[in-house]
Amino acid sequence: GAVVSQHPSRVICKSGTSVKIECRSLDFQATTMFWYRQFPKKSLMLMATSNEGSKATYEQGVEKDKFLINHASLTLSTLTVTSAHPEDSSFYICSARDLHRGPGNTIYFGEGSWLTVV
Amino acid sequence: QKEVEQNSGPLSVPEGAIASLNCTYSDRGSQSFFWYRQYSGKSPELIMFIYSNGDKEDGRFTAQLNKASQYVSLLIRDSQPSDSATYLCAAWYNNNDMRFGAGTRLTVKP
Repeated sequence: GAVVSQHPSRVICKSGTSVKIECRSLDFQATTMFWYRQFPKKSLMLMATSNEGSKATYEQGVEKDKFLINHASLTLSTLTVTSAHPEDSSFYICSARDLHRGPGNTIYFGEGSWLTVV
Repeated sequence: QKEVEQNSGPLSVPEGAIASLNCTYSDRGSQSFFWYRQYSGKSPELIMFIYSNGDKEDGRFTAQLNKASQYVSLLIRDSQPSDSATYLCAAWYNNNDMRFGAGTRLTVKP
């Protein structure tokens, strides 16, 4: 079964509003979670690495003030897209590493969230 | 530069054939390698991981790793139409740096 849960799976919002996406690790603690975005028929693009209890590490070119990441507990990270615009419409995916399942670096993905900004 | 390269395809094979997916990586520091399958509109799902030179088999899937050549491959035996998806190769470079290839689209024709 799923080891990483993501919610909502689909969301439509109006331009200028903010949207929050949640990523939960199920039955394991994730000190690190990762956020990706993916455009149709394109590869995963790492946006940021979310560290529990500290600030996220953003990839070059990703606006940290626009994509707010909070990792307040060992099982939950959130991504908030602030002042969303149509160009932010994309598939957002989170992942987490379970140190006790597979080799220490095995990463599992959430189900993904489709964001449409109208 | 830490890169993972894959042929984007599409790779098309007939049902029942062997599909061979290839991946190269640029940084010899990488220790662990993963293959994920991603259906259109869905999140990637883990198929296999490998971190030792040689072959690793799991059902119809065989992962091959050659660290000297910096080459990873995935073989799918007895390919089925349900195997049609994009296959992502990934490499870990350190505890918090995982790099993905662009993915290879596989189509298995009935």
